[in-house]
Amino acid sequence: QSVLTQPPSVSGAPGQRVTISCTGGSSNIGAGYDVHWYQQLPGTAPKLLISRNTNRPSGVPDRFSGSKSGTSASLAITGLQADDEADYYCQSYDNSLSGSPFVFGTGTKVTVL
Amino acid sequence: EVQLVESGGGVVQPGRSLRLSCAASGFTFDDYAMHWVRQAPGKGLEWVSGISWNSGNIDYADSVKGRFTISRDNAKNSLFLQMNSLRAEDTAFYHCVKDDWGDFGGYFDYWGQGALVTVSS
Repeated sequence: QSVLTQPPSVSGAPGQRVTISCTGGSSNIGAGYDVHWYQQLPGTAPKLLISRNTNRPSGVPDRFSGSKSGTSASLAITGLQADDEADYYCQSYDNSLSGSPFVFGTGTKVTVL
Repeated sequence: EVQLVESGGGVVQPGRSLRLSCAASGFTFDDYAMHWVRQAPGKGLEWVSGISWNSGNIDYADSVKGRFTISRDNAKNSLFLQMNSLRAEDTAFYHCVKDDWGDFGGYFDYWGQGALVTVSS
């Protein structure tokens, strides 16, 4: 059961900007824990996209950016391209006594129109 | 190049057991925590279990606690997941995942392709 909430889908035309929200609570994002983002292309394993809220690993285009504020975080994709079509997941740490210490978002499917 | 290769998946009847293995290469295995993350077909990601670099810190999702056991062999650069009393809802791809840190609290910087476990009678 996902603790972090994301919109099921977002879409945009090539070249446009889209954003994906990730809403948590006081035991995870609101407690100050970092948010990380993963991209899962169809039929492949997830890949790290953004670490520690805003950091892009080597090889990730600067069209991808992350931010965090309060109990939420966001992933922005600018200059949308066809090969950005994928599922995107946020992830954080949770300190509540029940549940898992590592929590994922519900996932967002990005469609390029 | 970091590589994580899972093995041991398959079809198993409810109530039976299965053991997954993950062979790691391309990094100093005993410096990092490791995890298992699963994904039911067509569904989202679920963290299953994690183990710190020296096996001193181990944790499980509530959904598998008491049934699954994670372990590692640093001498053989290998991670394991012993799954007992399997249920239909355990059906998923199981990914071996590397943490960016030696203990919990980091992020998942490398993922294996996954081993499919199907629990069905």
